[in-house]
Amino acid sequence: GAGVSQSPSNKVTEKGKDVELRCDPISGHTALYWYRQSLGQGLEFLIYFQGNSAPDKSGLPSDRFSAERTGGSVSTLTIQRTQQEDSAVYLCASSPTGGSGTEAFFGQGTRLTVV
Amino acid sequence: GQQVMQIPQYQHVQEGEDFTTYCNSSTTLSNIQWYKQRPGGHPVFLIQLVKSGEVKKQKRLTFQFGEAKKNSSLHITATQTTDVGTYFCAGITQGGSEKLVFGKGMKLTVNP
Repeated sequence: GAGVSQSPSNKVTEKGKDVELRCDPISGHTALYWYRQSLGQGLEFLIYFQGNSAPDKSGLPSDRFSAERTGGSVSTLTIQRTQQEDSAVYLCASSPTGGSGTEAFFGQGTRLTVV
Repeated sequence: GQQVMQIPQYQHVQEGEDFTTYCNSSTTLSNIQWYKQRPGGHPVFLIQLVKSGEVKKQKRLTFQFGEAKKNSSLHITATQTTDVGTYFCAGITQGGSEKLVFGKGMKLTVNP
């Protein structure tokens, strides 16, 4: 597809379970971001991947959160032992690298509800 | 690390009014971008400014990049209900990594 694709679009999970959220970036985009957005709030940065560089994990809120990006393409955000405060929309964005072509393209997000 | 601050966080205006919102960075930026997120949607790119003092217009929206490349403003003329949403600015630190850093956003509501 032409855009950033995220799956699932909605996820309801029980407290304490692990969840995996997937992001398929736009082909050829080397930068990939994960953000979290609680209801009515702003964007909370989680993690940033850029090419083969070590990811910037400075935004991950706890060690229950981790993310991978395989082959410089698809990314998975994993939340272990989910808590109710993890409920939010998780947004993925990708961007081409370098120069002025750094516009970020967002996916539709995954709405996570922890019950 | 780099911080991007937006003021105000919330703005409520009467339809037809003008208003301005601001974005300030703790570092000098190579460029600044603005995004709009409609209620229930995801952020969508509006515009990018690169040059010091640059001004760009999109219909009723005027974007400006400060001379020092550390701040930006968005001015909306004759606000309409279609302008409702959250506006984010995002910047890349000059000489730093290419990571886009977003502000917390400015949520606009319009009274018809």
